[in-house]
Amino acid sequence: NAGVTQTPKFQVLKTGQSMTLQCAQDMNHEYMSWYRQDPGMGLRLIHYSVGAGITDQGEVPNGYNVSRSTTEDFPLRLLSAAPSQTSVYFCATRRGIGNTIYFGEGSWLTVV
Amino acid sequence: KQEVTQIPAALSVPEGENLVLNCSFTDSAIYNLQWFRQDPGKGLTSLLLIQSSQREQTSGRLNASLDKSSGRSTLYIAASQPGDSATYLCAVISNTGNQFYFGTGTSLTVIP
Repeated sequence: NAGVTQTPKFQVLKTGQSMTLQCAQDMNHEYMSWYRQDPGMGLRLIHYSVGAGITDQGEVPNGYNVSRSTTEDFPLRLLSAAPSQTSVYFCATRRGIGNTIYFGEGSWLTVV
Repeated sequence: KQEVTQIPAALSVPEGENLVLNCSFTDSAIYNLQWFRQDPGKGLTSLLLIQSSQREQTSGRLNASLDKSSGRSTLYIAASQPGDSATYLCAVISNTGNQFYFGTGTSLTVIP
């Protein structure tokens, strides 16, 4: 049982490049979300989804796009990478409101 | 906007000591509160989930309390072990159940 799988684990991008962080879960959870973790700022919500075909913005959505075509997958797209997007990105899932949240191992992104 | 604060930022204790980690939040209208553990280079692992109607929750050597009216939660770790060394984060879940607000964590070191 893989749980929540994120790829890639490490990535270096040049300013202006685009890329997609992948997140896949095998727990049939409805809720999926993306967070970024920066020193001294805690985890901040970027985008979330309450089910296939439904997405919404979190606290820091600018510069990122998401889509949810299946229950299992929730990719995060960086449209035009900026140094301010250098961070650790975490995908998380949960079955429903009030349930435990499960995190992936993280994706370390550096934008130069 | 919900603000979550964890004090102290770092804590070092000798093995065997009991300890308390603190979490405070500004808006008492919460759905529930969750405590996590994060090891270096890893994602977050859920430790305890307290529903807004509960006062405390226990799992093994861990006990978490919640006082919504004062905007505080504590995580009590009994008989600390070197394997408990990690960063501990608390997260407050909004009353809609859709948004998690994280503290910046307390880095715990248990000295053998």
